[in-house]
Amino acid sequence: GAGVSQTPSNKVTEKGKYVELRCDPISGHTALYWYRQSLGQGPEFLIYFQGTGAADDSGLPNDRFFAVRPEGSVSTLKIQRTERGDSAVYLCASSPSGTSAYEQYFGPGTRLTVT
Amino acid sequence: DQQVKQNSPSLSVQEGRISILNCDYTNSMFDYFLWYKKYPAEGPTFLISISSIKDKNEDGRFTVFLNKSAKHLSLHIVPSQPGDSAVYFCAATGDDDKIIFGKGTRLHILP
Repeated sequence: GAGVSQTPSNKVTEKGKYVELRCDPISGHTALYWYRQSLGQGPEFLIYFQGTGAADDSGLPNDRFFAVRPEGSVSTLKIQRTERGDSAVYLCASSPSGTSAYEQYFGPGTRLTVT
Repeated sequence: DQQVKQNSPSLSVQEGRISILNCDYTNSMFDYFLWYKKYPAEGPTFLISISSIKDKNEDGRFTVFLNKSAKHLSLHIVPSQPGDSAVYFCAATGDDDKIIFGKGTRLHILP
């Protein structure tokens, strides 16, 4: 079946602009995670949804970052007033159950470059 | 403050030999340890896990060893194959279900 998909695969934007990154999880997966992977680092947790609600958003670096999952399926990560330090690969993962945290299936990521 | 550490950025191993990837952690509250494999332009793929109550888990060519007293785990791949060339992330999770990743080790399998 289809895996986790993320669009766009690459996004180049100017400093100060607003961007939206989309994640389509595996059908039926209730849990959805966003991670950020900077160069030379491992994925870093940002936010976790169980259904439509954000169960844990403690990883969001500041209030410029926001994520939604209005219907419990597709999620959008929104970044306002982008900064060069936001450049990274943004990974989305979904899981059939929030309690089995390691059974996460990752998408290919969106590479964001802020110029 | 890194809770999961992979101190070797890269490792080269001859095809057919054993690959050993190492990982250290600092948080004694972790209850599951994981290894993920990542190819370029793809997301990480779950490879193998081990519960904190065990010291070994084996799955085909992959074995993970856990030494809780030393807060150390390792992934053994034997025999190493060309398709094993990838970045390997060590990771850990606890009660909050967040996965904490290390920086990764790039494994090169040499022909």
